[in-house]
Amino acid sequence: GQNIDQPTEMTATEGAIVQINCTYQTSGFNGLFWYQQHAGEAPTFLSYNVLDGLEEKGRFSSFLSRSKGYSYLLLKELQMKDSASYLCAVSDSNYQLIWGAGTKLIIKP
Amino acid sequence: DAMVIQNPRYQVTQFGKPVTLSCSQTLNHNVMYWYQQKSSQAPKLLFHYYDKDFNNEADTPDNFQSRRPNTSFCFLDIRSPGLGDAAMYLCATSTGTGGPNEQYFGPGTRLTVT
Repeated sequence: GQNIDQPTEMTATEGAIVQINCTYQTSGFNGLFWYQQHAGEAPTFLSYNVLDGLEEKGRFSSFLSRSKGYSYLLLKELQMKDSASYLCAVSDSNYQLIWGAGTKLIIKP
Repeated sequence: DAMVIQNPRYQVTQFGKPVTLSCSQTLNHNVMYWYQQKSSQAPKLLFHYYDKDFNNEADTPDNFQSRRPNTSFCFLDIRSPGLGDAAMYLCATSTGTGGPNEQYFGPGTRLTVT
C-alpha cells in the first residue's frame, strides 16, 4: 500500500529552527510536495523536490532522499504566523498526490 | 489575479437534502480535483477531471457526483448528505503537464449537515 508518515504535532519557540520529517512508501515517485495549511483554510504550496538534495526558499528549505524515502521541511527564524499544519504529499506513478495527515506546528513566544 | 474560487464558503444542509458545491478557475488549468478533508486528516481525493475525462476514486461513495461543463467550472453534488459528510471540501487545479504540476487550491467550502 501507499503510506506517508509525519509527526502529528510539534512545538517550537519563536525565532528558533524546526525540522518536520516525512517518510513515504508509494508506488512510483514523481516528486514530493510540502504544503502549508492554516486552520480552516486551504493548503498553499511551499516547495517541490524531485531530485535528491536541499531546495532553499527564503526561511523555508526542503530536503529529499529518494533512496531512503525521506524528506524534511526546515523552517528558520520562526514567526508566530508559521503556526499551521504542514502537509507532505508525494506524486505517485499516476501523478496523483498521496497526502500525509499533516504536522501541526505550534509556535510559542 | 488568476485563482481558484469556491462558492459558498460555508454551506449548511439538512440530512438527506441534496447540495451542490461549485468551483471555478481562471488559471485555464486542464485538471480539476475535488477533495474531502476532515479535521486533522489528510485531504481525501474524491474525483478529478483531466479536461473532460472523469476519474472517480474507487472508494468515493456513490452519493457523490461531479460535473465539469467547461474548462472553468466544476461542481460537486452530494445527493443525500449524511452526518458523516460534514467536512471541508477543497477544489484544486493543476496544469496536468510536465514539471512540478503543483495543485492550486481554492479556499474550500465547509459543509455542515444538520
